[in-house]
Amino acid sequence: DTGVSQDPRHKITKRGQNVTFRCDPISEHNRLYWYRQTLGQGPEFLTYFQNEAQLEKSRLLSDRFSAERPKGSFSTLEIQRTEQGDSAMYLCASSSRRANGYTFGSGTRLTVV
Amino acid sequence: QKEVEQNSGPLSVPEGAIASLNCTYSDRGSQSFFWYRQYSGKSPELIMFIYSNGDKEDGRFTAQLNKASQYVSLLIRDSQPSDSATYLCAVTLLDSSYKLIFGSGTRLLVRP
Repeated sequence: DTGVSQDPRHKITKRGQNVTFRCDPISEHNRLYWYRQTLGQGPEFLTYFQNEAQLEKSRLLSDRFSAERPKGSFSTLEIQRTEQGDSAMYLCASSSRRANGYTFGSGTRLTVV
Repeated sequence: QKEVEQNSGPLSVPEGAIASLNCTYSDRGSQSFFWYRQYSGKSPELIMFIYSNGDKEDGRFTAQLNKASQYVSLLIRDSQPSDSATYLCAVTLLDSSYKLIFGSGTRLLVRP
């Protein structure tokens, strides 16, 4: 297992379309996080899973965003009715209880046109 | 007040110099502190973590923590052009120790 994998790397979509991103964490990591990062800013927390349970969702996240982690393995992040303001890098990270810090995936860059 | 504050830079240093990057945080209960490096267009990469007051050294990197002043810094000795990147400071909060809160990052430029 070489790290956290995210797919796709890039996504261009038209405003109003739905998009779904996938994250495969490091296999022994039971914690999974989604962050969003825009140009010139640090990563902004979106949501957190411990195993299959979604334990926290940012208040900044509108109802158009939903995330799942079935069976505590991979995770998906869906954005419905995309808006131009959703354009950003979406980062997935994973960790274990004993890990120091997170390991990030390469990210999915979303462009809404 | 932002939870984690960093000077956006850019901080420009000549090759071989010491680069000093600073970060302040607002939650007195923060227990864990991290420095990530992010090259343009790439994802953040963990380079240092520190939990206790004082200094922690790892190769050319030294992290310094002062909880009383709510201040954490990263020193990079013998800076190389390959160190040119954005450095992100991240902390955990008292009420959510699993979650990292990031600053906006400091851009470092190392001039050859």
